[in-house]
Amino acid sequence: GENVEQHPSTLSVQEGDSAVIKCTYSDSASNYFPWYKQELGKRPQLIIDIRSNVGEKKDQRIAVTLNKTAKHFSLHITETQPEDSAVYFCAATFNQAGTALIFGKGTTLSVSS
Amino acid sequence: DAGITQSPRHKVTETGTPVTLRCHQTENHRYMYWYRQDPGHGLRLIHYSYGVKDTDKGEVSDGYSVSRSKTEDFLLTLESATSSQTSVYFCAISETGGETQYFGPGTRLLVL
Repeated sequence: GENVEQHPSTLSVQEGDSAVIKCTYSDSASNYFPWYKQELGKRPQLIIDIRSNVGEKKDQRIAVTLNKTAKHFSLHITETQPEDSAVYFCAATFNQAGTALIFGKGTTLSVSS
Repeated sequence: DAGITQSPRHKVTETGTPVTLRCHQTENHRYMYWYRQDPGHGLRLIHYSYGVKDTDKGEVSDGYSVSRSKTEDFLLTLESATSSQTSVYFCAISETGGETQYFGPGTRLLVL
């Protein structure tokens, strides 16, 4: 079946450093790639997304890059802060109509001050 | 947060009993989804709906059924709960399917 692989599963950085999380997907028809942040005990919240016709998108300290040929996309967080500590999930559309998402297994990011 | 509520928020039940979880939205979005979240597995799609009475299976649909009789409500039923269905269940909605999904607050289900 379709799959999204996410790495690393855990990531520890010092405040101010950059963090990068990478995902690969298997369905070449995938055309929408969102990233969600989930704080402990809370619901997942969208932080940024990208479509297949765009190679890069940036929103303040976060950016996402997409390489459709290699079927991978990455989340970049610069100048990390303790409040960035959370679990991050990548996802990709996977069904024929592009109306459902398959998620990676998540990355636990810890930012220490 | 988008207008999504889930009920109950917490439930403890016994193996073999039926359980129904409710997702209610006030956004009039066409698409609704049910996920389960377990440590080490991320979010896995159970079933989704693309309109009233229109549903389809996700990657972990065995043991679950759904119904959507009106736009605002999407019900998830465990016909005969098992301990392996102990999980946190999230509902999500989307206006156009291939766009952003907004998640509900989640339901913690414990099957003893």
